[in-house]
Amino acid sequence: QSVLTQPPSASGTPGQRVTISCSGSSSNIGSNYVYWYQQLPGTAPKLLIYRNNQRPSGVPDRFSGSKSGTSASLAISGLRSEDEADYYCAAWDDSLSGLFGGGTKLTVL
Amino acid sequence: QLQLQESGPGLVKPSETLSLTCTVSGGSISSSSYYWGWIRQPPGKGLEWIGSIYYSGSTYYNPSLKSRVTISVDTSKNQFSLKLSSVTAADTAVYYCARHLRGDYEDWGQGTLVTVSS
Repeated sequence: QSVLTQPPSASGTPGQRVTISCSGSSSNIGSNYVYWYQQLPGTAPKLLIYRNNQRPSGVPDRFSGSKSGTSASLAISGLRSEDEADYYCAAWDDSLSGLFGGGTKLTVL
Repeated sequence: QLQLQESGPGLVKPSETLSLTCTVSGGSISSSSYYWGWIRQPPGKGLEWIGSIYYSGSTYYNPSLKSRVTISVDTSKNQFSLKLSSVTAADTAVYYCARHLRGDYEDWGQGTLVTVSS
């Protein structure tokens, strides 16, 4: 069981907006940045959002991140079939440990 | 562009020690401020941080694995390594190496599958 809690699954139809939540505690999300990763089957995770809400170059602005207190969210607007993937949140903990959420499998219906 | 490549046996027997090496190219492993870490992913499951070594040489381990994990660096070869002792079938996973800044895993290796089986 992961310290960062994500819903195991999410779904939406093309064009819809979907959000994925990530819940932690004061020692991780509450006091450190949150990062989001997209993992396509058979590939290494790819950084999607850094420092809560920043997008690396090349990531479409359809992807956005936010953080409030000890929770964070990833929003995907204008859902596309190629967004079907696993999504993970990550954060550093004040105990000097790395943390990942359990992952959310996004299905585009 | 920084590249990381994992290498090591793909099959390890139960109770033995899993040993993997990550070779870094396109940049120095001595770069200040970066961590060099290991993350694993059991088949069909999520990501688990195993541990990291800071550029200064300090090591940080997942508390649940700490008693079995050793991460070291060889700056002369621009490599860092993972040793996981007393492995069981539960340690079967794809093992990734990565360069990161705390939660910001900027660069990943392609991953290598290690199966624990007799």
